[in-house]
Amino acid sequence: KQEVTQIPAALSVPEGENLVLNCSFTDSAIYNLQWFRQDPGKGLTSLLLIQSSQREQTSGRLNASLDKSSGRSTLYIAASQPGDSATYLCAVSGRSNTGFQKLVFGTGTRLLVSP
Amino acid sequence: EAQVTQNPRYLITVTGKKLTVTCSQNMNHEYMSWYRQDPGLGLRQIYYSMNVEVTDKGDVPEGYKVSRKEKRNFPLILESPSPNQTSLYFCASSVAGDNEQFFGPGTRLTVL
Repeated sequence: KQEVTQIPAALSVPEGENLVLNCSFTDSAIYNLQWFRQDPGKGLTSLLLIQSSQREQTSGRLNASLDKSSGRSTLYIAASQPGDSATYLCAVSGRSNTGFQKLVFGTGTRLLVSP
Repeated sequence: EAQVTQNPRYLITVTGKKLTVTCSQNMNHEYMSWYRQDPGLGLRQIYYSMNVEVTDKGDVPEGYKVSRKEKRNFPLILESPSPNQTSLYFCASSVAGDNEQFFGPGTRLTVL
C-alpha cells in the first residue's frame, strides 16, 4: 500500500529565504507526482506535476524534483514571500488494486512566511 | 472559466438524514473523484469514476454512494450520515486518472 510522508509538518521562515519541502513515498511504481497548495478553508491549487519519466519541473519561483528510485521529491521555493504561506501537499498517482489510477496524498507541510 | 463546483459549501445536518453533495465540472474531463480531508489523516479518496457509468471504490468508501450518469456531474450521496462523516469534502476532475487534477472549493459537512 502506497504511503506518502511529508517532512516537516510545519515550517516558519522569514521573508526572502529559500526553502525546501520534502515528500517521500514507499512504492516507486508511480505515474506522476503532483504538488498542491491549500489555503485555509479553500480548495487545492495544483502547482507542479512531474511525470514519472521526468526529473524536475519549474514554475516561476518553484522547482520540484523527483527521484523515483529512492521514493523522494522536493519542492524548492526561492525568495519566499508572505503570500507563500499555505499548506503544501504532495500526491502520487499509482495503480489501484482494481487497475485504475489513484492519487495518494501526504498530510502536508504548513508553511508560514513572516514579513 | 474552467472550474469544478460543489454544492453546498457548508452543511450541518443530523444523523440519519440522507444528503447529497453535488459536483460539476465544465472541462469535459473523464476522470472524477471524491476525497475527504481530516486533521492528521490528510486527503483520502472515497470514490472515483473513470467515465460515465464507471465508478469504483477508493480507500474509504463505507457509508457513501456515488453515481455518474453524465460526464460533467458526480454527486456524492450519504444515505444515512453519521457523526464520523463530519469532514471537509473535495471533488476533483482530470482528463485522465494520471493527469493534473483540478479540485473544487470543498464542502464542509457537520453531522450532529
